Amino acid sequence: GDSVTQMEGPVTLSEEAFLTINCTYTATGYPSLFWYVQYPGEGLQLLLKATKADDKGSNKGFEATYRKETTSFHLEKGSVQVSDSAVYFCALSGGGGYQKVTFGTGTKLQVIP
Amino acid sequence: KAGVTQTPRYLIKTRGQQVTLSCSPISGHRSVSWYQQTPGQGLQFLFEYFSETQRNKGNFPGRFSGRQFSNSRSEMNVSTLELGDSALYLCASSAESPSTEKLFFGSGTQLSVL
Repeated sequence: GDSVTQMEGPVTLSEEAFLTINCTYTATGYPSLFWYVQYPGEGLQLLLKATKADDKGSNKGFEATYRKETTSFHLEKGSVQVSDSAVYFCALSGGGGYQKVTFGTGTKLQVIP
Repeated sequence: KAGVTQTPRYLIKTRGQQVTLSCSPISGHRSVSWYQQTPGQGLQFLFEYFSETQRNKGNFPGRFSGRQFSNSRSEMNVSTLELGDSALYLCASSAESPSTEKLFFGSGTQLSVL
């Protein structure tokens, strides 16, 4: 079945550092890929998405490119801020009428001043 | 527009009891999905409802059940609670199709089983 693998956290970075959170997936067909973010005490929010190969999703300085050849969707940001501290979830939807989004285990990011 | 509302926010139960959690989706949204979130497992899909019909179900035992009402509000029930059921239960709504649309999440119900 569909699955998502994320790098384990926590990831601790200094403010203005470069961020990469790795995500790879296994799916049949042509899934859509997502990054969701969860701030402390809140539900998840969609950060960005990509629906086909080579698409780049971007939002709030974060980017991720849908790489079908490597089945990856790594999240990057050039300069992180303390306010980016949160848990980041990679996810996919397999389409095909299954009406289900599969999430990775999440990566906690802590940015220190 | 009001967001997704989950009640109650916290629950403490003992083993063997049953519990019912409620989720009110964003107005106009007809799809509601439920997830169990635990530190080691991340988000595990429980089930998805659309127009009062369950369209998809995850790999959870039959003790976990749900339903959706005509106003799209949804409930999930866990019977014969076990310690391992302690988790944050999240619901998410979308207009029609969670696999192609943005999911809007509630803040969750934190269930503790003692």
